[in-house]
Amino acid sequence: DAKTTQPNSMESNEEEPVHLPCNHSTISGTDYIHWYRQLPSQGPEYVIHGLTSNVNNRMASLAIAEDRKSSTLILHRATLRDAAVYYCILNYGQNFVFGPGTRLSVLP
Amino acid sequence: EAGVTQFPSHSVIEKGQTVTLRCDPISGHDNLYWYRRVMGKEIKFLLHFVKESKQDESGMPNNRFLAERTGGTYSTLKVQPAELEDSGVYFCASSQDFWGQNTEAFFGQGTRLTVV
Repeated sequence: DAKTTQPNSMESNEEEPVHLPCNHSTISGTDYIHWYRQLPSQGPEYVIHGLTSNVNNRMASLAIAEDRKSSTLILHRATLRDAAVYYCILNYGQNFVFGPGTRLSVLP
Repeated sequence: EAGVTQFPSHSVIEKGQTVTLRCDPISGHDNLYWYRRVMGKEIKFLLHFVKESKQDESGMPNNRFLAERTGGTYSTLKVQPAELEDSGVYFCASSQDFWGQNTEAFFGQGTRLTVV
């Protein structure tokens, strides 16, 4: 099965930028790269998605490598509320496959 | 606008009993998905409805699980009979267009199922 790989955990200080990496070396040309996050006791929450170009929205930025085999989610100023598990997921065939994600801790 | 609603939020049942989980998608969303996370494992796809039709049920673990979406609105997921390994959190999500292209899906808060 094609999968994404992410670090198990990362730590950041509050109000500092955070770069969350993801490798997806088996991505196909039409696969969108999606990022979701899961706060404690919540369902996954949409963060951002993109195909080839870098993307920005009010929550984050998504930087996609030129070969599309990796991407980075950028939180410009981490807050305590950003502490969550972040999932980089791709649509392999019909359905999205969640990996274990990266658990982000934000230190005050 | 109401989000995806799931209930109950938590269910504790004995092995062998039946449990029915319900999901109310966002109004107007034709696509509805069920996912689950069992203990210590990753979130896994169960099935996908388009309106009332099952588009893909390849993730359903066995025939003890039955999903329905009568009328293309809310959906139910029944587990009968429940086994210990069914314990976990069951998530429902919905999207206007198929969640495989340039669109996002919205998840409910999940139902935590505990089978004892």
